[in-house]
Amino acid sequence: QQQVKQSPQSLIVQKGGISIINCAYENTAFDYFPWYQQFPGKGPALLIAIRPDVSEKKEGRFTISFNKSAKQFSLHIMDSQPGDSATYFCAASMADSWGKLQFGAGTQVVVTP
Amino acid sequence: GAVVSQHPSRVICKSGTSVKIECRSLDFQATTMFWYRQFPKQSLMLMATSNEGSKATYEQGVEKDKFLINHASLTLSTLTVTSAHPEDSSFYICSAIGGGRETQYFGPGTRLLVL
Repeated sequence: QQQVKQSPQSLIVQKGGISIINCAYENTAFDYFPWYQQFPGKGPALLIAIRPDVSEKKEGRFTISFNKSAKQFSLHIMDSQPGDSATYFCAASMADSWGKLQFGAGTQVVVTP
Repeated sequence: GAVVSQHPSRVICKSGTSVKIECRSLDFQATTMFWYRQFPKQSLMLMATSNEGSKATYEQGVEKDKFLINHASLTLSTLTVTSAHPEDSSFYICSAIGGGRETQYFGPGTRLLVL
């Protein structure tokens, strides 16, 4: 049973466009929400993370929007580039099980030239 | 960012043999390390959590006698797949936290193919 639901499963976006990936959770004990980027045959790499006391966090072209009341958070990739083509995973963890991440199913993003 | 390495990166073995995978934190002391398994085009599934000097905690459904985990030092954890079978073929990824950081850093993964 996946505790973090991620959508869409795949996404095709043109170069320069915006990629938007959504995640939803039920467990209100989650208090740390990272996003990871994974290229084929590689381990995931942390992109950006947020805590529930903040509604938005931006790092470069990557922005997390967090809606605590709706229990949803999303990743926006601005000015998408072909090099952004990868699989993106949202995740969540709780303070009392620090580091034990629950991952979403993943979104395969393809950025066309 | 912190660096976590894994060795080997790929391994092919015959059914029935055991395979050991090493996970090292190169520039920080990892108080906790995690082992994940990832099947093709699927998400990461946590297998177990290991803390230095103590027994690993396994997730429900993961056979602890099949997947032996040892976290002997603050920079090294090993996963041994015992009596491997073709269904154990997967991508095994470790991660580590520690050094006062909240971020979990992942290794590059080990591709295991059991023939």
